Amino acid sequence: DTAVSQTPKYLVTQMGNDKSIKCEQNLGHDTMYWYKQDSKKFLKIMFSYNNKELIINETVPNRFSPKSPDKAHLNLHINSLELGDSAVYFCASSQERDRVGEETQYFGPGTRLLVL
Amino acid sequence: GENVEQHPSTLSVQEGDSAVIKCTYSDSASNYFPWYKQELGKGPQLIIDIRSNVGEKKDQRIAVTLNKTAKHFSLHITETQPEDSAVYFCAASRTRGSTLGRLYFGRGTQLTVWP
Repeated sequence: DTAVSQTPKYLVTQMGNDKSIKCEQNLGHDTMYWYKQDSKKFLKIMFSYNNKELIINETVPNRFSPKSPDKAHLNLHINSLELGDSAVYFCASSQERDRVGEETQYFGPGTRLLVL
Repeated sequence: GENVEQHPSTLSVQEGDSAVIKCTYSDSASNYFPWYKQELGKGPQLIIDIRSNVGEKKDQRIAVTLNKTAKHFSLHITETQPEDSAVYFCAASRTRGSTLGRLYFGRGTQLTVWP
């Protein structure tokens, strides 16, 4: 009964490849997020979707494209992978982003991406 | 945008001692302040949060205080145990305005509790 799940947990790939990371939440939440954690543990938001609509798009390369087929899923597709993309990527979800008491974000276990 | 500073970056304490982690924020419109614990190889887990209409909140050995005027908030862990060892993150966000829903994280504190 995992709340926020991600696959794969580990991803090792060559430079230039295209890869996808999948995220699913079974909490019935309306909003989902992608965060990147660098080697120094700094967590930074990349994207946010609310009811399948993109609402936050930080300054990330357009090689990164989120896709939300439905409210429970937010996948991250990365084209032409570069060495600097190596990091841990976390998916998160919240019930409502703009309602007091419902803005708590719950994180998945992370996907460790290593680009060689 | 919001800027969250967190100190110290590392903290070592003896089991049973207290640990305090401090954060400051820059955006006076921020009104939600969660704290996350990240164990090795895992995702961040919410341990406690506080909203701007409250000055202090406690949950067993964990407490958080908020000073809106000074724009700082702190995490207090009493009677620390080795299993408290982890990286702790503070964060700030607002539930109104153009940046709502965006969590701004501090850079984390590696807490080590020695038996």
